[in-house]
Amino acid sequence: NAGVTQTPKFRVLKTGQSMTLLCAQDMNHEYMYWYRQDPGMGLRLIHYSVGEGTTAKGEVPDGYNVSRLKKQNFLLGLESAAPSQTSVYFCASSQGTAINFGPGTRLTVT
Amino acid sequence: EDQVTQSPEALRLQEGESSSLNCSYTVSGLRGLFWYRQDPGKGPEFLFTLYSAGEEKEKERLKATLTKKESFLHITAPKPEDSATYLCAVRDTGTASKLTFGTGTRLQVTL
Repeated sequence: NAGVTQTPKFRVLKTGQSMTLLCAQDMNHEYMYWYRQDPGMGLRLIHYSVGEGTTAKGEVPDGYNVSRLKKQNFLLGLESAAPSQTSVYFCASSQGTAINFGPGTRLTVT
Repeated sequence: EDQVTQSPEALRLQEGESSSLNCSYTVSGLRGLFWYRQDPGKGPEFLFTLYSAGEEKEKERLKATLTKKESFLHITAPKPEDSATYLCAVRDTGTASKLTFGTGTRLQVTL
């Protein structure tokens, strides 16, 4: 039981490049989330999903898109990366109680 | 809008020196207050959920308590391995079990 896994662990992008962050969970959870964590700002919700095929905006959705084509996967896309998107990204899942977090992806945009 | 404020931002304790971390919150309808531990370079790790005022939960040297406006994480006789950032979060009566987090308390326990 791997829990929540994220790919990649680290990535460096140039401004304007695009990429997709991959998240997978093997706990059959309905809810999945993408958070970003910045110094002094805490964890902020980007987008979330309440089930396969659904997505919704969180607190800071601008510049990001998401898809949940399969229940176990939740993808976060950056279409045109900006330096302001330099952050640590955490995927998480829940079945309505505590949220379980993945190990994080550290993204730097230069 | 839900708000969570944690204090202090940082705390340095000597081994064995007990203390408390504070989490004050504003939420329209509380459906749970959560405590997490986060080690450097890792994702947050779940510790406790509290649902109603007066509730207490314990795990080893940690005890979490809840009132109508705040929660405390009491650390009794801490050890260096308790050094971490402790995060507090609330879930309101909205859908999707979303959590709103505070900015955390960075705890360092020295010998």
